[in-house]
Amino acid sequence: QVHLLQPGAAVEKPGASLTLSCQTSGYNFTDFYIHWVRQAPGQGLEWMAWIYPKTTETKFAQNFQDWVAVTMDTSSGTAYLEFKKLKSDDTSVYFCARGWGRLLDLWGQGTLVTVSS
Amino acid sequence: DIVMTQSPESLAVSLGERATINCKSSQSLLYSSNNRNYLAWYQQKSGQPPKLLIYWASTRESGVPDRFSGSGSGTDFTLTISSLQAEDVAVYYCQQYYGNRCSFGQGTKLEI
Repeated sequence: QVHLLQPGAAVEKPGASLTLSCQTSGYNFTDFYIHWVRQAPGQGLEWMAWIYPKTTETKFAQNFQDWVAVTMDTSSGTAYLEFKKLKSDDTSVYFCARGWGRLLDLWGQGTLVTVSS
Repeated sequence: DIVMTQSPESLAVSLGERATINCKSSQSLLYSSNNRNYLAWYQQKSGQPPKLLIYWASTRESGVPDRFSGSGSGTDFTLTISSLQAEDVAVYYCQQYYGNRCSFGQGTKLEI
């Protein structure tokens, strides 16, 4: 059975860096994309980025290009979303999702990130 | 970038009645080489991650009840729930996967 496991929550101060994980299981990690999607409190879904493990290619939404990075560890089947410098309005739920190309067919439960001093 | 616009923002439908949600894209999602529309619909219930319902504009994901159907082509698409059940209360999103960068509609909140 396919799983995408994300930590439930993270709390950080403004200006800090943060790395979120997405641990996959139940399928061949390199055959599918991993996407990251943000959902601010009470708001809709906002696509952030994808990484394709087979080639390590990445693509970002313009809003996120300069302040997040996406990486992966093929040996453990884990993808990561790295924030370089958190702001208070980064407080959101961050989902990882498996991508059949750019079609997101299975989602993790999401990590609630709270940025507060 | 492709902009997705949904309507209405919210919708109240009685149990057993039909619900219709519309989605419009800023450019065609029909890929001529395979005649497929790169449009998906997701359902997000409160406190849960989104769930894929429909892809290629009209193909139901495995396990999705047949009261859910998708239609449309090019730039205009529709999600229809033929007979609303209580468990269908959720926010519904359309998503284009035509371009290298995905994008979602703003969501439609469906209530009873």
